[in-house]
Amino acid sequence: QLQLEESGPGLVKPSETLSLICNVSGFSISNGFYWGWVRQSPEKGLEWIASVYHSGTTYYNPSLKSRVSISVDTPNNQISLRVNSLTAADTAIYYCARIPPYRAFDVWGQGAAVTVSS
Amino acid sequence: EIVLAQSPGTLSLSPGERATLSCRVSQSIAGSLLAWYQRKPGQAPRLLIYATSNRATGIPDRFTGSGSGTDFTLTISRLEPDDFAVYFCQHYGNSPPAFTFGGGTKVEIK
Repeated sequence: QLQLEESGPGLVKPSETLSLICNVSGFSISNGFYWGWVRQSPEKGLEWIASVYHSGTTYYNPSLKSRVSISVDTPNNQISLRVNSLTAADTAIYYCARIPPYRAFDVWGQGAAVTVSS
Repeated sequence: EIVLAQSPGTLSLSPGERATLSCRVSQSIAGSLLAWYQRKPGQAPRLLIYATSNRATGIPDRFTGSGSGTDFTLTISRLEPDDFAVYFCQHYGNSPPAFTFGGGTKVEIK
């Protein structure tokens, strides 16, 4: 059974870089599918951040592209996300999810809460 | 840039009633690219409907998606206590590849 689990620092300071890991179990990333990160905040609701294919092809939300990097680690079956130059507006719950060919997010992790504050 | 406008913002209904949620898209889209999610407090969103009208695995048939062009609808035929939540629509565009979410409709107990 496919499960995704996000992990991250919880609290980060403004201007710093956030690093998140999504551990995928029950399914090999090498088998295909796109994988993505979505965040949820009271101010912006649900916001797509980035997507990555198992081959490494990436797509980014244009509004975040200059500050975000997504990557896939197939040996460890993980998806990573980095967000730099953090501000309070990046405070959110960050989710990773699988993206099947019909282009929706069908399996989600439980989310990693991130607070940007000094 | 495609914008998804959901209405109403809040829907107050009683268990057993029918809920009709709207998602209006700023330009005509292919129905294959419209999905609906349910989100409850403290939980991850759950995929309900993909490609406008296809129920995701395990979704009961009281949830129905419909629509075309710019107007899409999620209908919950008879609300159960577990259905009171926030619902989002989502579009995938491929030029360039991008996902967009609507602002959500909260279905609350009247």
